[in-house]
Amino acid sequence: QVQLQESGPGLVKPSETLSLTCTVSGGSISGYYWSWIRQPPGKALELIGYIYDNGNTNYNPSLKSRLTISVDTSNNQFSLRLSSVTAADTAVYYCARQGHTVFPNFEYWGQGTLVTVSS
Amino acid sequence: QSVLTQPPSASGTPGQRVTISCSGSYSNIGTNYVYWYQQLPGTAPKLLIHSNNQRPSGVPDRFSASKSGTSASLAISGLRSEDEADYYCAAWDDRLSVFGTGTKVTVL
Repeated sequence: QVQLQESGPGLVKPSETLSLTCTVSGGSISGYYWSWIRQPPGKALELIGYIYDNGNTNYNPSLKSRLTISVDTSNNQFSLRLSSVTAADTAVYYCARQGHTVFPNFEYWGQGTLVTVSS
Repeated sequence: QSVLTQPPSASGTPGQRVTISCSGSYSNIGTNYVYWYQQLPGTAPKLLIHSNNQRPSGVPDRFSASKSGTSASLAISGLRSEDEADYYCAAWDDRLSVFGTGTKVTVL
């Protein structure tokens, strides 16, 4: 059974960089699209972006200038870096496996990690 | 700002049928598959429906979905207390997937 686990700081200061890693177990990272999705408290889901195992990425245009998603196939991990954060970036951040296509077929999800942006 | 619009809430008594709508446009629902997710309180979303109307293994057949033009709908038949959750539609839109605004289903 594929499992995903987010890890990273739960508190980030304004203007700093938010960094999260998703570790995949129970299956290979190869051959799939891997996504980051976030959900501000009490609000809807938002796709941040995704990466394929070869490193190709696609980012949400509203975050593109601040966003980097990378993959480490040797360690079965992929990561998120979001720079110059503000309070608006406070959210539960989920990593998810998107399947073999770019379509929103998110088959497996991590449990989510709350990241609060505050001084 | 989501481009897929859902009603904020829906409700029903146990055993009833509840329907949730998802309104989009040609660039998303009109030309691509629709997916539905169930998010129980305090948990990660779960894939409920893929490819417009297909249930993954393990999803009860009480859940069904359809698509027509630029709109889609999810139906829950025989409503149960454990169906109380937030429900989101999703679709590919031009260059990235988008989620709906979400609907909170309450079992009265």
